Amino acid sequence: SYELTQPPSVSVSPGQTASITCSGDKLGDKYPCWYQQKPGQSPVLVIYQGTERPSGIPERFSGSNSGSTATLTISGTQAMDEADYYCQAWDRYTNVFGTGTRVTVL
Amino acid sequence: EVKLVESGGGLVQPGGSLRLSCAGSGFTFSSYWMNWVRQPPGKGLEWVANIRQDGGATFHVDSVRGRFTISRDNTGNSLYLQMNSLRAEDTAVYYCARVNRGYCGGDYCYYLDYWGQGTLVTVSS
Repeated sequence: SYELTQPPSVSVSPGQTASITCSGDKLGDKYPCWYQQKPGQSPVLVIYQGTERPSGIPERFSGSNSGSTATLTISGTQAMDEADYYCQAWDRYTNVFGTGTRVTVL
Repeated sequence: EVKLVESGGGLVQPGGSLRLSCAGSGFTFSSYWMNWVRQPPGKGLEWVANIRQDGGATFHVDSVRGRFTISRDNTGNSLYLQMNSLRAEDTAVYYCARVNRGYCGGDYCYYLDYWGQGTLVTVSS
C-alpha cells in the first residue's frame, strides 16, 4: 500500500522559516495537499494541488513538490502556526495521509 | 457557507454497531465525492472511505472493509457510515469531508476542502 513519511517534529523560532517534508513514491506526480490541525480542532486545508493556497490562508504558507518529496514551507513563522501538519495524496481511488509533523514555535 | 455536521458517535461495546451521519449544507451536495476520515486519540489522520457523487462507487480502507459501509442520500444532503463488528482500535474521532477537484498536469487531482467538527466513537466494554 502507498505510504507517506514525514518527520515527527520540527522546531522553529518566531519569524524564521519552517520546512516540513513528505516523502512517497512518485509523490510529485500526485499533486499532494497539506492540512493544518490545531489541538481540539478539525484539519484545515492549507495547500492543494501541490502548490496552491486556498483563500484565507496566509501567503507565508507555500508548497512545492518534485520527484518523491513534497515540502510545506512556512515563512516568517508565527506563534499561531504551532500545530500538526499532514500531507495527503490520492493513490488511485484511495486517500493516504502522511504520518504527521508537529511544528513547535520556540 | 459550506457546513458539514457529524452526529451519531458514542460509546459502544466491542462487536457492536453504530451509524454515523453527516449533514451537508451551503453547497450542492450531490455534485461532490465525500470522504470519512478518522483520528484515534493522540494519533494521526486515517482515511476510512469515500463515495462517488451518485453513490455508485465506494472505496474503503482495508482495515474496515467488510465491516464499515459508506453511503449517501443526496435528497437529504446526508452522508453515512454504517459501522459493524466494532473493535477497540476503531476508537477515534470521525470526520466527514468534502472532496473538491482541480486539474493537475493533464488529469484531475483531488483535495478535502471542507471538514466537519467530528464525532467521537469509543469502543469499549
